[in-house]
Formats: sequence, structure tokens, C-alpha cells
Amino acid sequence: DVKVTQSSRYLVKRTGEKVFLECVQDMDHENMFWYRQDPGLGLRLIYFSYDVKMKEKGDIPEGYSVSREKKERFSLILESASTNQTSMYLCASSLSTDTQYFGPGTRLTVL
Amino acid sequence: DAKTTQPTSMDCAEGRAANLPCNHSTISGNEYVYWYRQIHSQGPQYIIHGLKNNETNEMASLIITEDRKSSTLILPHATLRDTAVYYCIVRVPTGTYKYIFGTGTRLKVLA
Repeated sequence: DVKVTQSSRYLVKRTGEKVFLECVQDMDHENMFWYRQDPGLGLRLIYFSYDVKMKEKGDIPEGYSVSREKKERFSLILESASTNQTSMYLCASSLSTDTQYFGPGTRLTVL
Repeated sequence: DAKTTQPTSMDCAEGRAANLPCNHSTISGNEYVYWYRQIHSQGPQYIIHGLKNNETNEMASLIITEDRKSSTLILPHATLRDTAVYYCIVRVPTGTYKYIFGTGTRLKVLA
């Protein structure tokens, strides 16, 4: 079974804090993705990575950065958290065959 | 990616088959049909996908019409744990492209 894990299910941070969200997959997948999900807006892609140290911007990269130092791990960084970054954050991974497997999600609240 | 149309909500009695329809009349020849579901406050879960032949796995069956303009996801014996939002997506399997989830069908399995 494919397993994608995320470091926290729930997180509460203050405005201006630096926030790290971590995602780990155990299936040797090349591709990893970070999305955010908001009511009425659906799933929006923030960044994705197709290899170690490689990254591509998605639709809404502003205010975020990512890091992929090892194949199994993809981190999302909020450099200075703001209240409009309160959201559900979803990590996914896939092989080139395309089926994306999602983690359980991190519900982030920025106060 | 082709646009999909799904009913907003459906009810199903526990133990009965749940048949979830999806229209994708503008699907092109190289686009696959994928189904995911999302249980409240969790990440989307992959269910099944197919190109033109019917597919079955341990979770569900996927029936695609001969003209490929619509499909039906069948959960053969629905349980309360199948209550979720079900998303039908059509896309070319490129490996690194984002998933676009529509509004989906909210399935409620009734005891």
C-alpha cells in the first residue's frame, strides 16, 4: 500500500511565524505535490517536484517555498505566515503513471 | 482536462449498491477517467481509474460507456464508512500535472 504521511494533522501558528509542513512517502515516487484546499475554491496546486532538488511553481506559489533534499521527503515552508494562509494543506505523490496518492492533510490555522 | 458533471448529492441505504454517475461529454481519446473520494477532514483517497474498458478492484467497479461520454462508479455494498464526497476527474496521465477536483457528489450512506 502506498503511504503518504504528513507531519501534523492540526497546527496553530501566529502571524509572522515561519511554518514547516513536512510530507514523506514510502513508495519511491518521483513526483510530489503540495496543494491547499479551501471551501468553494477546490484544490489548488502550490508547488510540485519531479526529482530531488527540482521544483516547479504551481498556481499559487506566492508566500510559500519548498524543499526536496531527499526523494521521499517534500517540505512546504511558509516564510511568514499570514491569516489568509489558514487552510487545509494536502501533500500527494505519484510515479510517472500519474495516479496521485494523497496524505491525510494538515489543517493549519494562522491567528 | 475535460469538464465533468456530477450530481451534487445522493443517498444510499447501507448494504445496497451505490451507483455514482459522471458525465464527461467532451472527453478526448487519450484522457482517462479517475475516481477519488474524500471523507470529511481527510485527504482524497484514490479509488479507481480507466480508459475505455470496465475496471474492478477491491473497492469499486468503474463502468465507462462505449462512447466514453459518461461513466458510473459502483460501490457494490455500501457501508456507513463510504459516506464521503466522490470526485470524477478526466485527464491525460502526464505524471506531473495538477489534479483539478470539481465539486463532486456528496454520498450519504444511511443506516
